[in-house]
Amino acid sequence: DSGVTQTPKHLITATGQRVTLRCSPRSGDLSVYWYQQSLDQGLQFLIQYYNGEERAKGNILERFSAQQFPDLHSELNLSSLELGDSALYFCASSVLTTGELFFGEGSRLTVL
Amino acid sequence: AQSVTQLGSHVSVSEGALVLLRCNYSSSVPPYLFWYVQYPNQGLQLLLKYTTGATLVKGINGFEAEFKKSETSFHLTKPSAHMSDAAEYFCAVRGLQGAQKLVFGQGTRLTINP
Repeated sequence: DSGVTQTPKHLITATGQRVTLRCSPRSGDLSVYWYQQSLDQGLQFLIQYYNGEERAKGNILERFSAQQFPDLHSELNLSSLELGDSALYFCASSVLTTGELFFGEGSRLTVL
Repeated sequence: AQSVTQLGSHVSVSEGALVLLRCNYSSSVPPYLFWYVQYPNQGLQLLLKYTTGATLVKGINGFEAEFKKSETSFHLTKPSAHMSDAAEYFCAVRGLQGAQKLVFGQGTRLTINP
């Protein structure tokens, strides 16, 4: 158990819909990262938050947004969903001094 | 910008044989390097990491990796494969400056033959 909690574990929805994925980082970790894992793209960095502020942005679509709340949990919002958005979405939190990430078990999104 | 190349998307070895998974990185600054393992339907678990100091790093489950700056490599090895080692393995790099995200390679799926 990494200490990072993600909900929901599985989500099935239709094209055009909007979903929200939730992540609670390890106790004491201020930084949260979101990654997308798909068969064709591998593990792609989406976005990082540190103590409520956006720190870095990766290959995140404009249809996607995220935020980190004062209690440090984070949400990833995916809207106008397309078939190609079907993937495993991981949240991770980090120990900034050594850089290692601790990953949750992921949220598997299926868009039909 | 940092990048990682894992040579071989699939590696198959016999139980008891040497495991060698290759990783080369590109980084403009001294890197932090990581190997993660992903079992089916699970998240990524840290196997080992190199930050500074000794270039031969030992991790969990009998794995080790050696940082070779001259070769920009960080290959993962295990002397004797076990059936439970079957999984996907990811090499990752993080630079010391700028964004602290990890950049992952494409992964290597390890299959163990009985």
